[in-house]
Amino acid sequence: GEDVEQSLFLSVREGDSSVINCTYTDSSSTYLYWYKQEPGAGLQLLTYIFSNMDMKQDQRLTVLLNKKDKHLSLRIADTQTGDSAIYFCAESKGGGFKTIFGAGTRLFVKA
Amino acid sequence: GAGVSQSPSNKVTEKGKDVELRCDPISGHTALYWYRQRLGQGLEFLIYFQGNSAPDKSGLPSDRFSAERTGESVSTLTIQRTQQEDSAVYLCASSLYLGDTTDTQYFGPGTRLTVL
Repeated sequence: GEDVEQSLFLSVREGDSSVINCTYTDSSSTYLYWYKQEPGAGLQLLTYIFSNMDMKQDQRLTVLLNKKDKHLSLRIADTQTGDSAIYFCAESKGGGFKTIFGAGTRLFVKA
Repeated sequence: GAGVSQSPSNKVTEKGKDVELRCDPISGHTALYWYRQRLGQGLEFLIYFQGNSAPDKSGLPSDRFSAERTGESVSTLTIQRTQQEDSAVYLCASSLYLGDTTDTQYFGPGTRLTVL
């Protein structure tokens, strides 16, 4: 079956790097996503990666994909208090199949 | 409008009453999702509409929950005989999801439902 798993909490100090991990089960996943949810708001797409890529970098964000292990990670460099939010991993395999979300990782950034 | 809108933004109801939640997706988006998010918890998938295909209702928690979508526009989520455990934020998302394109979802602000 389809499943996406994430750890529930992560706490880091301001200025450190944060690494949020995710595992998924569907080996036919084509797209993998990271969404961010700030308090009281809906989710917003942060970044996505195609399954034929190993890495994608966008400013402070680095996404790493290990397709063999079905493991996705999001690294936030120089984490700021404004990065405190819930981060959701998601996967889809295109062709109109629905996207599957993880339960979200709540990131706490300590000043 | 430019984004996904939902109404009402807040709804307080008494146990046993029926409620209707509305979602207006981004114009032209073929896919529409409903999710439930309980306080402090993650997303719970409820239902998925994609074009003219039969909706994926596999996430609906009970037969008290139903949803409709008119073509590729407005969707309503109906909860009958509400229970206290239905209290949550109900999020709607839409995407332009054609063939093998990405399913980047655009979320509405949610409807916060409180059942007393």
